[in-house]
Amino acid sequence: DIQMTQSPSSLSASVGDRVTITCRASRGISNSLAWYQQKPGKAPKLLLYVASRLESGVPSRFSGSGSGTDYTLTISSLQPEDFATYFCQQYYSSPHTFGGGTKVEIK
Amino acid sequence: EVPLLESGGGLVQPGGSLSLSCAASGFTFSSYAMNWVRQAPGKGLEWVSGITGSGGGTYYADSVKGRFTISRDNSKNTLFVQMNSLRAEDTAVYFCAKTVSGDFYAPFDYWGRGTLVTVSS
Repeated sequence: DIQMTQSPSSLSASVGDRVTITCRASRGISNSLAWYQQKPGKAPKLLLYVASRLESGVPSRFSGSGSGTDYTLTISSLQPEDFATYFCQQYYSSPHTFGGGTKVEIK
Repeated sequence: EVPLLESGGGLVQPGGSLSLSCAASGFTFSSYAMNWVRQAPGKGLEWVSGITGSGGGTYYADSVKGRFTISRDNSKNTLFVQMNSLRAEDTAVYFCAKTVSGDFYAPFDYWGRGTLVTVSS
């Protein structure tokens, strides 16, 4: 199985800050990487896939990059509605493993 | 929106069984792979099982292999998971999730609201 290591597990930031979350796969996943946002009590929401492709309707302040085993989610200017937990997921092979999550909290 | 509505959750004793359903609407159900993903209270996401659009291919996490069976009825636009030999560690909110394409190896663009399964005596 491919293990997904996500960091940090939590961070505190202010509105307007630039935020970066990383995800490392235990082996190469050929950009088969998605990022999800989850708010308390809600289902996850797809933000990006194929590492950097923005899902329809997702604000352009969200971006993704990376290749091979290392991937990054960046929020260019954090907005109040962005305080949530973010998960990466590889869908290169089964099982489709998720990272442990990054909780973005208000500083 | 692509409504996905899970049902069937509840309280079950260890060793018991439970069947979950996910009713889909708003898209050609048979054209998309579907999945079950769970989230234990206060924890992260765990992919549980997936099935191809035709139902001919099924996939399972090691943690549920041999105990859970995923299936679908394309005539009724419904996804199922039969869960047997349930354990306390199976306690979680179970989400059904649709893939963005017919390919199983694809991300999930729509999720249901989830149904809570509690395994406890």
